[in-house]
Amino acid sequence: EAGVAQSPRYKIIEKRQSVAFWCNPISGHATLYWYQQILGQGPKLLIQFQNNGVVDDSQLPKDRFSAERLKGVDSTLKIQPAKLEDSAVYLCASSLVGDSYGYTFGSGTRLTVV
Amino acid sequence: RKEVEQDPGPFNVPEGATVAFNCTYSNSASQSFFWYRQDCRKEPKLLMSVYSSGNEDGRFTAQLNRASQYISLLIRDSKLSDSATYLCVVTSGSARQLTFGSGTQLTVLP
Repeated sequence: EAGVAQSPRYKIIEKRQSVAFWCNPISGHATLYWYQQILGQGPKLLIQFQNNGVVDDSQLPKDRFSAERLKGVDSTLKIQPAKLEDSAVYLCASSLVGDSYGYTFGSGTRLTVV
Repeated sequence: RKEVEQDPGPFNVPEGATVAFNCTYSNSASQSFFWYRQDCRKEPKLLMSVYSSGNEDGRFTAQLNRASQYISLLIRDSKLSDSATYLCVVTSGSARQLTFGSGTQLTVLP
């Protein structure tokens, strides 16, 4: 079974630039999550999708972050404009609906904002 | 107050030692409980689920105390390969999202 695919693996940008990350979940997983993991901290949920609808985006900084999952499969997360404090690993995960035991994480995108 | 709090660590132990990690959670309505393992520069991976009756998997034992809102993980006979960050995780709410603690770093020394 193919895992959760994310790209790019690494990205370095200057502050105030924009950046986008891509995620392709496991086939058949209706629920997709984006997490932000700052160095030395645990992952923090940014947004949860079920199919192409948003379930929870309460912790997404909507003034600069946006995410979409238009066809209910792959998803993109965008930051515009980036700040230094956005430097983190952005992890995508997917699961079957309501299956908290079956999360699968992608390898993440490591973002450095300079 | 953070929703999930863990021992700050780091823990440095010799091979063969027994080490215990503790975690508390603030939401009494939390439904599911887990320990995840995260290797350096890798994604988190499920280590084991945690139940009130206790859960043992080889050298690893996890325990949940709902009354105290406390979760523990015990690792016996530590191996070098156990070196990683251990994340305490709970789910709550109808969406059953995973909420992570900040993690405890373990280094097993030869």
